[in-house]
Amino acid sequence: AQSVAQPEDQVNVAEGNPLTVKCTYSVSGNPYLFWYVQYPNRGLQFLLKYITGDNLVKGSYGFEAEFNKSQTSFHLKKPSALVSDSALYFCAVRDIYNTDKLIFGTGTRLQVFP
Amino acid sequence: EAQVTQNPRYLITVTGKKLTVTCSQNMNHEYMSWYRQDPGLGLRQIYYSMNVEVTDKGDVPEGYKVSRKEKRNFPLILESPSPNQTSLYFCASKEPGITEAFFGQGTRLTVV
Repeated sequence: AQSVAQPEDQVNVAEGNPLTVKCTYSVSGNPYLFWYVQYPNRGLQFLLKYITGDNLVKGSYGFEAEFNKSQTSFHLKKPSALVSDSALYFCAVRDIYNTDKLIFGTGTRLQVFP
Repeated sequence: EAQVTQNPRYLITVTGKKLTVTCSQNMNHEYMSWYRQDPGLGLRQIYYSMNVEVTDKGDVPEGYKVSRKEKRNFPLILESPSPNQTSLYFCASKEPGITEAFFGQGTRLTVV
């Protein structure tokens, strides 16, 4: 079965420190992976996606994600966290049978402390 | 500005009272969908539509209906809401293919 796992419900990091939000996936064939961010009282906003090519994908707001096929992971990273990065982050994979549908993980709440 | 607009943002209703949550997009997208977001479960797809008059069930369609009479609108209908439909609902639209989805701001529904 296709799935996405986000093993951490919450990640805490101090402002200025690097951050990582973890995501692993299970899907047949080549995965198409996405990260979205949800700020309080807002809808989900697209951050970045991996289709093919370079394993390091750069996205919005200084975020990047590293695709690792052998570990079936797609971790979200940022070199220096900001308090304004505090939000709920979702990893998603494209459904191979319904190719416009996204299968989401359960979300990770990122808290950046001043 | 490209956007997906949902209304209402907040709704409290009683069990069994029919309600409609509207969704409209201004990007001429063919694909639209509804998700519900619940703690610990992430987002799950309720219904989707590939184009006008083409709709299909997602993962959790029970208790919901949709229609797609115009390309820009995709309302979600709860004919007899129950407390287990208390949730945060999102409408989304996208172009076909490996493209990003655009989400509305969400509708927080409480059924008492």
